[in-house]
Amino acid sequence: NAGVTQTPKFQVLKTGQSMTLQCAQDMNHEYMSWYRQDPGMGLRLIHYSVGAGITDQGEVPNGYNVSRSTTEDFPLRLLSAAPSQTSVYFCASSADSIRYGYTFGSGTRLTVV
Amino acid sequence: AQSVTQLDSQVPVFEEAPVELRCNYSSSVSVYLFWYVQYPNQGLQLLLKYLSGSTLVESINGFEAEFNKSQTSFHLRKPSVHISDTAEYFCAVTLSGGSYIPTFGRGTSLIVHP
Repeated sequence: NAGVTQTPKFQVLKTGQSMTLQCAQDMNHEYMSWYRQDPGMGLRLIHYSVGAGITDQGEVPNGYNVSRSTTEDFPLRLLSAAPSQTSVYFCASSADSIRYGYTFGSGTRLTVV
Repeated sequence: AQSVTQLDSQVPVFEEAPVELRCNYSSSVSVYLFWYVQYPNQGLQLLLKYLSGSTLVESINGFEAEFNKSQTSFHLRKPSVHISDTAEYFCAVTLSGGSYIPTFGRGTSLIVHP
C-alpha cells in the first residue's frame, strides 16, 4: 500500500552510539519532515525538506542530521545518541501541505540507555 | 512566528456525550488550520482542515470545527462520542506565504468511558 514507511519500529541504543532512522514514501511527495513526540510536548519539528537536495532545520535540530538525495527517501541520522533523544520519531510527507495535509508514518520508538 | 495552544491536556467524557476540544493560535498573518487524530500506537491522520470559505468544516466521522478569526480559535466538536473516538487530537497551524510547515499543539487526549 502507498504511504510512508519507517524503519525500524523499535530501537535501543547505548549512549554515544550512532544510527540512522529510515523513512521512505512512494507517493512522489516533495515535502518531507521529521518530528519527535514526547509526553506533554506534542510534536516538535527536527528537520524538513521541500524537495530533493533541499533541507532545513526545524525547532529541535541539535544532534540530528538529514539528507535528501532522492524524492523518496529522507533518513534521519543520530550522530552520538544521548538519553535526551529517547522519544518516538515520526516521518511525514505531503504533496501540498495546505490542500492535503501530511501523511505520517507509524513511528520509530527509540530508547537511549 | 505562529504558536498553537491546546487548552486541555486530557478530556474525559462518557459515551454518547458531546465534546469540545479547544485550540487557540497566535499569528500576525493569515493561517491555515488543521486537526489531526492519533490512535494508540499509530501515526497521525488528518481529520479536517480550514483553508478558506465557510468557517465551519466537517469530517467524515461526525467531528466539526469552527474557525473564529476574532477569537483566533479553531475548536473541535462532536455532538455524540463513541468509545472508538478515544485518541490523541492535535491542532496544527500553517502560515500563509511561509514554508508551509505546520506547527502542532501539544495535543489533547480524549478518553471516552462506557
